[in-house]
Amino acid sequence: NAGVMQNPRHLVRRRGQEARLRCSPMKGHSHVYWYRQLPEEGLKFMVYLQKENIIDESGMPKERFSAEFPKEGPSILRIQQVVRGDSAAYFCASSPPRSGSPLHFGNGTRLTVT
Amino acid sequence: AQKITQTQPGMFVQEKEAVTLDCTYDTSDPSYGLFWYKQPSSGEMIFLIYQGSYDQQNATEGRYSLNFQKARKSANLVISASQLGDSAMYFCAMREDNSGGGADGLTFGKGTHLIIQP
Repeated sequence: NAGVMQNPRHLVRRRGQEARLRCSPMKGHSHVYWYRQLPEEGLKFMVYLQKENIIDESGMPKERFSAEFPKEGPSILRIQQVVRGDSAAYFCASSPPRSGSPLHFGNGTRLTVT
Repeated sequence: AQKITQTQPGMFVQEKEAVTLDCTYDTSDPSYGLFWYKQPSSGEMIFLIYQGSYDQQNATEGRYSLNFQKARKSANLVISASQLGDSAMYFCAMREDNSGGGADGLTFGKGTHLIIQP
């Protein structure tokens, strides 16, 4: 039973380029969460999605960031026109539908903007 | 106000000793869950243990136990018989069941960097 799969593991982008981060949840999990971790910090919530629906995006920056979780395929976190401050580790987590279940995290994507 | 506070940025502990990592939380929600995650230097987030606010007994998972003191709003992680492989960042997190924002998601503390010395 594969865990949460994130790719790529490392991503380098120049300022102004687009970054696409992918996340495949664990089998049977329909809830996906994206978190960002800056160096020496804990994880900060960005967005919570279920299939084809954004449930809560209160942690997403208002511009340049978007997320989707289509009916088929992985969840995508998209960052347009990246800036140096976007450099961070981005973690995806998934959980089953029932409340109270722990979130299972992927290994993260480390984005570096040069 | 901080929802999750971890007051120990770093800790050095001798191998085989027991370790207590502090976590206090702030919520007015009567129903919530508390989680501990381990993040080794390789970067992945590993779920360790969970305590629900209505659970009567402290959670235990192998060498991990959670010292849950509801009145003090603390949820300290205890690691018995520490091992070199326990060296990592440890994050305390909370899920509030009835709050808006990040529904079913987690709020994390800043973490404690634990180093086990031989």
